[in-house]
Amino acid sequence: DGGITQSPKYLFRKEGQNVTLSCEQNLNHDAMYWYRQDPGQGLRLIYYSQIVNDFQKGDIAEGYSVSREKKESFPLTVTSAQKNPTAFYLCASSTPYLAANRGEQYFGPGTRLTVT
Amino acid sequence: QKEVEQNSGPLSVPEGAIASLNCTYSDRVSQSFFWYRQYSGKSPELIMSIYSNGDKEDGRFTAQLNKASQYVSLLIRDSQPSDSATYLCAVNTNTGNQFYFGTGTSLTVIP
Repeated sequence: DGGITQSPKYLFRKEGQNVTLSCEQNLNHDAMYWYRQDPGQGLRLIYYSQIVNDFQKGDIAEGYSVSREKKESFPLTVTSAQKNPTAFYLCASSTPYLAANRGEQYFGPGTRLTVT
Repeated sequence: QKEVEQNSGPLSVPEGAIASLNCTYSDRVSQSFFWYRQYSGKSPELIMSIYSNGDKEDGRFTAQLNKASQYVSLLIRDSQPSDSATYLCAVNTNTGNQFYFGTGTSLTVIP
């Protein structure tokens, strides 16, 4: 089955610790994204990557870092510099814009991070 | 600033009725439009994509796009309690393959 996996589903950390969230896809998509969703809020873009070894900051990149060493993988590190890290983190990938299904974006199941 | 606006609701409809969800967007270069359904505590699920003006039907769902007026809507016919969720509107421009999301409309279907 093709899809996007995120692990772990729930993650608990103490304040001041860095934590890395995993995102893997086997859809052969070039583009991958990280969003953050807070209760009752919309999706906010943290980072995105259009191709391996390249990524761009989104609207709320401060306190986060990413890498894109493989097409299938786009891990997100939440650093201790992130002021309010507790949130629901969503990874997504998308089909190429010029394809018949123009830029359809699919989401993983998410990781719920709680920092105390 | 690219913006996608949705009425946050909540929207309540009786079972069997038509639910109408609306979305407006500010960027005229937007080319692709999507509706996602998000159940509480879950990730968004793509339910409809539309790229051309007019209607697109898929089962009980119909997406409507009007680029001149910059709005896209989703109609859910014969609404079921299982349709109760938050519905997110998203648009994609033809530059950078970035997606812009509305804050979502909460729908409750009352049995």
